[in-house]
Amino acid sequence: QKEVEQNSGPLSVPEGAIASLNCTYSDRGSQSFFWYRQYSGKSPELIMSIYSNGDKEDGRFTAQLNKASQYVSLLIRDSQPSDSATYLCAVSHSGGSYIPTFGRGTSLIVHP
Amino acid sequence: NAGVTQTPKFQVLKTGQSMTLQCAQDMNHNSMYWYRQDPGMGLRLIYYSASEGTTDKGEVPNGYNVSRLNKREFSLRLESAAPSQTSVYFCASSQQLDPPEAFFGQGTRLTVV
Repeated sequence: QKEVEQNSGPLSVPEGAIASLNCTYSDRGSQSFFWYRQYSGKSPELIMSIYSNGDKEDGRFTAQLNKASQYVSLLIRDSQPSDSATYLCAVSHSGGSYIPTFGRGTSLIVHP
Repeated sequence: NAGVTQTPKFQVLKTGQSMTLQCAQDMNHNSMYWYRQDPGMGLRLIYYSASEGTTDKGEVPNGYNVSRLNKREFSLRLESAAPSQTSVYFCASSQQLDPPEAFFGQGTRLTVV
């Protein structure tokens, strides 16, 4: 059973701070990693994908992957109240079953 | 571009009734998916279609059937609705299965009474 674990939160950070969201996964064969943002009552939106160890930056977002330790994280710099949402981590395994397994999400609250 | 469009947005069914959820994408994607999302359970895959003409079961297929009508459309059918199928249903698509960078529709909120 492939598992993707996230702390459900809520994670509360002040406006302007760095929010750090973490995700661990059980399948060592996992190759593709995704972060989705989901506002309350809305659908998930892909914000980051990462496929190799290290950091990947896109604007205020940085995804970090460490395959040896089986974790992937998302950093949000200069957090804004509009970043308040649930962040879903998804992991897929190449070379067979590509379908991603989703974590249950971490709720992020950015307060002014 | 509309992206992924689902209909209807809301639906109330009585136990035992049937219905079909419709999904269409205009991004020329090859792969399409149906997920359900329940509180505390996260997103769970019901069925997927790697490409036109193929469909496969996901994690929770019981009580559902799907049809990949063409490259654009992927429908989900509940033959005899049960209260346990009360959920929010999302259709998604991706250019290919690997990597599955998925784009989601706006969701269908289904209540079975």
